[in-house]
Amino acid sequence: DADVTQTPRNRITKTGKRIMLECSQTKGHDRMYWYRQDPGLGLRLIYYSFDVKDINKGEISDGYSVSRQAQAKFSLSLESAIPNQTALYFCATSDSRAGRGANVLTFGAGSRLTVL
Amino acid sequence: GQSLEQPSEVTAVEGAIVQINCTYQTSGFYGLSWYQQHDGGAPTFLSYNGLDGLEETGRFSSFLSRSDSYGYLLLQELQMKDSASYFCAARDNQGGKLIFGQGTELSVKP
Repeated sequence: DADVTQTPRNRITKTGKRIMLECSQTKGHDRMYWYRQDPGLGLRLIYYSFDVKDINKGEISDGYSVSRQAQAKFSLSLESAIPNQTALYFCATSDSRAGRGANVLTFGAGSRLTVL
Repeated sequence: GQSLEQPSEVTAVEGAIVQINCTYQTSGFYGLSWYQQHDGGAPTFLSYNGLDGLEETGRFSSFLSRSDSYGYLLLQELQMKDSASYFCAARDNQGGKLIFGQGTELSVKP
């Protein structure tokens, strides 16, 4: 089984619908992240969480919300999806206790979202 | 804020050496990382430089110069499977979040 699991892997939805992308990890890492990838724009940080009680906005948080339900689970929600939120979404984790390992992100396989 | 600049595309031939540069501008700095992403796949960690100098991992090396706000990834003995996108990433020492450059698409030709 993958260390970082994202569901769904692919989703097509319509404008205005609420969408939740889920992420779970078995690595025991304390930090979790949600990134969005668009062609030519690299990976942009949406939200990040350093522990269950800590949620922080990233570069592009507008239109998104997150929930850290447990150390192992971090979900991303689009309350009312719009077409320009069509993108590939990645969840990632890191371990703050690992020294330089705090700079090592482990990514999930990605969730491809299409908003029509 | 933070920004990282890297070339959008690089092309090289099999067996050659290629260098992918990254310049960064950050309000704080806590090291430069490199990630590889094959088309449609998840990014995977390659290398990290917390201090100035060269880090070597097999065919891949990474270099950092804090005084120049500059780093590079060096790939030697290129193979076709090295065709991928390569991202530099920096962690600020304020929030600890990792910010990525826009990525360099490397094409290795026979």
